[in-house]
Amino acid sequence: GAVVSQHPSRVICKSGTSVKIECRSLDFQATTMFWYRQFPKQSLMLMATSNEGSKATYEQGVEKDKFLINHASLTLSTLTVTSAHPEDSSFYICSARASGGAFNEQFFGPGTRLTVL
Amino acid sequence: QKEVEQNSGPLSVPEGAIASLNCTYSDRVSQSFFWYRQYSGKSPELIMSIYSNGDKEDGRFTAQLNKASQYVSLLIRDSQPSDSATYLCAVNIGGGSYIPTFGRGTSLIVHP
Repeated sequence: GAVVSQHPSRVICKSGTSVKIECRSLDFQATTMFWYRQFPKQSLMLMATSNEGSKATYEQGVEKDKFLINHASLTLSTLTVTSAHPEDSSFYICSARASGGAFNEQFFGPGTRLTVL
Repeated sequence: QKEVEQNSGPLSVPEGAIASLNCTYSDRVSQSFFWYRQYSGKSPELIMSIYSNGDKEDGRFTAQLNKASQYVSLLIRDSQPSDSATYLCAVNIGGGSYIPTFGRGTSLIVHP
């Protein structure tokens, strides 16, 4: 149980294009989903928290107009990187949690490696 | 700022030994604690969760929590080369939304 998928696993795009990443909880309903970014040999950086049906809460320094997050259902959240540039190249990972309680675990998707040329 | 601290390592242990990974946290009201394993180039994988003081065992893994000292650890018995990875400590910071806060991770190397 507790499987989270992400699509695509890898994407290469030209500078200026937009890229959409999907995150799905396959066998549970995810009240909350988190989006992280990880640069090589660095720690996970939380970008934003999204709750189903609500606007996402972004961490300080993350541009909400550049990283659009939609959590339209209890099993799907999307992250759109708008007008991507080479500095946006990174490993993007989503995670999902069944409810907002303190004791609930979050489960990670396999990640999406974005390369912007 | 609420923080989770881990020694970045690398921690190197011989195959068959016990690996001990440590984590301290600053928020006294934290209630839930998690250990994740992350292989290079992969996403984190949940190993264990612990919520009460004391030890929790699952196979070769034992998580230990001491809320008074704000300290959580992970012991890996009979370490194998396949255990070589980065181990992330995560704490759900209180306050209603329980946002998970991760440490920087400890790199573990198990050599044959």
